[in-house]
Amino acid sequence: DGGITQSPKYLFRKEGQNVTLSCEQNLNHDAMYWYRQDPGQGLRLIYYSQIVNDFQKGDIAEGYSVSREKKESFPLTVTSAQKNPTAFYLCASSYIAEEDNEQFFGPGTRLTVL
Amino acid sequence: KNEVEQSPQNLTAQEGEFITINCSYSVGISALHWLQQHPGGGIVSLFMLSSGKKKHGRLIATINIQEKHSSLHITASHPRDSAVYICAGTGGGADGLTFGKGTHLIIQP
Repeated sequence: DGGITQSPKYLFRKEGQNVTLSCEQNLNHDAMYWYRQDPGQGLRLIYYSQIVNDFQKGDIAEGYSVSREKKESFPLTVTSAQKNPTAFYLCASSYIAEEDNEQFFGPGTRLTVL
Repeated sequence: KNEVEQSPQNLTAQEGEFITINCSYSVGISALHWLQQHPGGGIVSLFMLSSGKKKHGRLIATINIQEKHSSLHITASHPRDSAVYICAGTGGGADGLTFGKGTHLIIQP
């Protein structure tokens, strides 16, 4: 079955620790995205990547880093510089073609920093 | 900067009612997505449209490009339709989405 997987579903970390969230897709999509969701707010774009070894900052990139070494994988690292990292993180992917760039979402990772 | 405004924020209705959720968006957005988020967080894409109207089962999405407005309709609503419905816009290509804050829909039996 084609789809997007994120792991783990729940993640707990101590303040000051870096943590990496996994996102893998087998849909052969070129573009991948990371979003953050906070209660009462819409999802916000952290980073996105349209091609391997290239990525762009979104609206709230500070305190986060990403890599895109393989087409299938787009891990997100939440660094200790992120001031309020507790949130729900969603990964998505899509084709790039303008007429076919519907985004498909992973199940999400709920990160809690203690 | 792209902006997306959704209304209402919360909506409670009785089973069987016709539901409408509205979305207005700014210049620069060329396509609208309607998404459904269930408790637990998983998001499912319902529609992506840049013109006209799309229908899938009891769900209908319309978009008016001149007025920069889109609506999601649910006919014969059912308690299993209870979820958060989110509209999101894109300027095209593989740029990320700009999201509305969502509409929390509850359908009571």
